[in-house]
Amino acid sequence: AQKITQTQPGMFVQEKEAVTLDCTYDTSDQSYGLFWYKQPSSGEMIFLIYQGSYDEQNATEGRYSLNFQKARKSANLVISASQLGDSAMYFCAMRMKGAQKLVFGQGTRLTINP
Amino acid sequence: NAGVTQTPKFQVLKTGQSMTLQCAQDMNHNSMYWYRQDPGMGLRLIYYSASEGTTDKGEVPNGYNVSRLNKREFSLRLESAAPSQTSVYFCASSEVGAKTSYEQYFGPGTRLTVT
Repeated sequence: AQKITQTQPGMFVQEKEAVTLDCTYDTSDQSYGLFWYKQPSSGEMIFLIYQGSYDEQNATEGRYSLNFQKARKSANLVISASQLGDSAMYFCAMRMKGAQKLVFGQGTRLTINP
Repeated sequence: NAGVTQTPKFQVLKTGQSMTLQCAQDMNHNSMYWYRQDPGMGLRLIYYSASEGTTDKGEVPNGYNVSRLNKREFSLRLESAAPSQTSVYFCASSEVGAKTSYEQYFGPGTRLTVT
């Protein structure tokens, strides 16, 4: 069965610093996709970034980048120059090729301090 | 476009009462999903519908039923609510196909409390 593990329940970072949120996954499939979502205190789920298992380059979207290490089965989210508005829960998720569902990790609560 | 909408936003039920959570999407997506979110457990899939007329169980289907009314609407019903069903419920939709890159779009959530 597929599984996502986020080992950091909470992270505290100073504003303007970079932050790395950890995500490891477990699957025997070769073709899969990895997603990161942000959930602010208002509750909605916001898609941030996607990485395919066959993508050769790490994905980037503005201040977000994904540090994808396939052999280690990790897909860490890096947020550069953190802002107060980055304070939120962050979820890592995975989808297998041909599957409908996303499998989510437990989430990491990120707090940015001024 | 409204994206994915859910009603109601908040609901309090007594144990044993029934209710239906409504979800609609206007993105012409084939797939729709219902998740529940509990503290420390991320999002867990309750049911999903890959296309109009089909539904399948997810990770935690017990105590729930679903109806894919048409391509736009996917409802979740609690026939006899229990305190263990106190949670935040999210509806989502996505394209479907061989690609793994189809992201899911989420509704704003329904906060349900069962007393």
